[in-house]
Amino acid sequence: SQTIHQWPATLVQPVGSPLSLECTVEGTSNPNLYWYRQAAGRGLQLLFYSVGIGQISSEVPQNLSASRPQDRQFILSSKKLLLSDSGFYLCAWSSDLGETQYFGPGTRLLVL
Amino acid sequence: AQTVTQSQPEMSVQEAETVTLSCTYDTSESDYYLFWYKQPPSRQMILVIRQEAYKQQNATENRFSVNFQKAAKSFSLKISDSQLGDAAMYFCAYDRYGQNFVFGPGTRLSVLP
Repeated sequence: SQTIHQWPATLVQPVGSPLSLECTVEGTSNPNLYWYRQAAGRGLQLLFYSVGIGQISSEVPQNLSASRPQDRQFILSSKKLLLSDSGFYLCAWSSDLGETQYFGPGTRLLVL
Repeated sequence: AQTVTQSQPEMSVQEAETVTLSCTYDTSESDYYLFWYKQPPSRQMILVIRQEAYKQQNATENRFSVNFQKAAKSFSLKISDSQLGDAAMYFCAYDRYGQNFVFGPGTRLSVLP
């Protein structure tokens, strides 16, 4: 069966520091991968999605970036964090565009 | 741009009773997908039910069913025989081939014993 991992689970970072969140999927090949952000008490906002290695589509312009160095690895990065980057970050995968997305456990990021 | 609206920020239901959560969406497309996700306090997003827009038959998963009204752009979720474990945030979502995945703001459901 397929599983999706995210780490770290929780992260506290100072403003201006870099960020790297990792997401990996097991049990499937060539998944579509997604990064979402959820602000406190709000819905999910799609940040990036990828249909293959090195292919990244950005939904929201911001100081975040994403990369997909391997088929089942998706990384969310920032060179300099802002206070507004605080939130809950979720990674998801699907077998194809339009199919059900399955979510990881999420990373709670607090920028101080 | 597509939007998803959930007009009920909070709902409550007695255990074993039935509750319906509302969702409306806006799109000019004819082919798309709709989802209901559940987010318990653990914050893990769990798929509840999925509906393809080209299917007229309403999706059903055990105690969960939807009322899909394509012309009205309405997609409500009915939970029958509510259980304490159903307490969570429920998000309605729209997707068109993974390129326009949009979530509603959510409805917080409380289940009263």
